[in-house]
Amino acid sequence: DVKVTQSSRYLVKRTGEKVFLECVQDMDHENMFWYRQDPGLGLRLIYFSYDVKMKEKGDIPEGYSVSREKKERFSLILESASTNQTSMYLCASSHGLADNNEQFFGPGTRLTVL
Amino acid sequence: QQQVKQSPQSLIVQKGGISIINCAYENTAFDYFPWYQQFPGKGPALLIAIRPDVSEKKEGRFTISFNKSAKQFSLHIMDSQPGDSATYFCAASAQTGANNLFFGTGTRLTVIP
Repeated sequence: DVKVTQSSRYLVKRTGEKVFLECVQDMDHENMFWYRQDPGLGLRLIYFSYDVKMKEKGDIPEGYSVSREKKERFSLILESASTNQTSMYLCASSHGLADNNEQFFGPGTRLTVL
Repeated sequence: QQQVKQSPQSLIVQKGGISIINCAYENTAFDYFPWYQQFPGKGPALLIAIRPDVSEKKEGRFTISFNKSAKQFSLHIMDSQPGDSATYFCAASAQTGANNLFFGTGTRLTVIP
């Protein structure tokens, strides 16, 4: 069964802390994505990656960075967390050559920055 | 700038009724239109999808209607059930270019018993 896992379901951090969100997929997918989900704003793409060590900015990359050292793992980094980064973070993956672009999502990490 | 506009933001329907969620887009390069369903505490999951070569696709109680000339598509849930209560996202992507999904803002559906 297809699986995307995220390291934490809930996370509470303080302003200014460095935060790491980890995502692992077991489907050998080429593509991986990080979104944030906020009420009334839907899913907004932060960063995505089409291959190991490759990364591309999405719609809202400011304040975030990513790392993809291995195909199955995609990390989201908040260099200095701020209260406006309190949100639900969703990781997704998809097959690089799939005809339908189906993305498989993890359960999400709800991050609170105090 | 929202590439895909979705309405309504929330919807309450009686059990057995029809739920209708609408989406509109501007980018004529979009050629794949999926709907994702998200239950509380879970990530979104693909529900049904359509390509613009057909005007309608049906899977069980779920139907996508697609109007290419109007650049609109909608999800119809027939005989809505309390178990359908979830947040629904429409999305769109193009096979060319970055191939990413552009999501609507979501509709929170509540089906009352």
